Amino acid sequence: AQSVTQPDIHITVSEGASLELRCNYSYGATPYLFWYVQSPGQGLQLLLKYFSGDTLVQGIKGFEAEFKRSQSSFNLRKPSVHWSDAAEYFCAVGDPGQNFVFGPGTRLSVLP
Amino acid sequence: EPEVTQTPSHQVTQMGQEVILRCVPISNHLYFYWYRQILGQKVEFLVSFYNNEISEKSEIFDDQFSVERPDGSNFTLKIRSTKLEDSAMYFCASRLTGSPFFGPGTRLTVL
Repeated sequence: AQSVTQPDIHITVSEGASLELRCNYSYGATPYLFWYVQSPGQGLQLLLKYFSGDTLVQGIKGFEAEFKRSQSSFNLRKPSVHWSDAAEYFCAVGDPGQNFVFGPGTRLSVLP
Repeated sequence: EPEVTQTPSHQVTQMGQEVILRCVPISNHLYFYWYRQILGQKVEFLVSFYNNEISEKSEIFDDQFSVERPDGSNFTLKIRSTKLEDSAMYFCASRLTGSPFFGPGTRLTVL
């Protein structure tokens, strides 16, 4: 069965600092991998996705993520965090035609 | 840019009442989903719908839940007799072949 873990429940960084949010998955084949962001009271916005090809994918808002098959990881990174990045971040894994499984989420707080 | 829309944005109901949550997926999409998120918890899969039938459903999606695509544009989630624990944010999503696009959600409050 597919599953997603996000080891960090809550991360606090200072504005301008770099960020890495961890995501590990369990899946039988090469998965489709996603990162979504949810601002308070809002819906889910797709940041980036990996289907195949280059394992380093670029997303919106300056985010990137790297797929590492050997580590079953798809960590999200940003070189310099902005105050507006404070939100909940969800990693998800899925396959065409099937449902998508979300991780528990990591809440990001940004200090001024 | 096309988007998934959901109505209402907030629904308040009494325990035991029926509710229908409505979604308008992106027009050329083929796969449709409902997810829910209880406050402060993870996003949980409820059901997927393809070719006018349920393709997969979770344990949460019991006999109290049903989905319908009545007119080729709307995609509805019905809860027949709501319970307190059904209070959550309900997200609709649709996709063609790639990543799913999510709607803004309907917040359901059961009193």
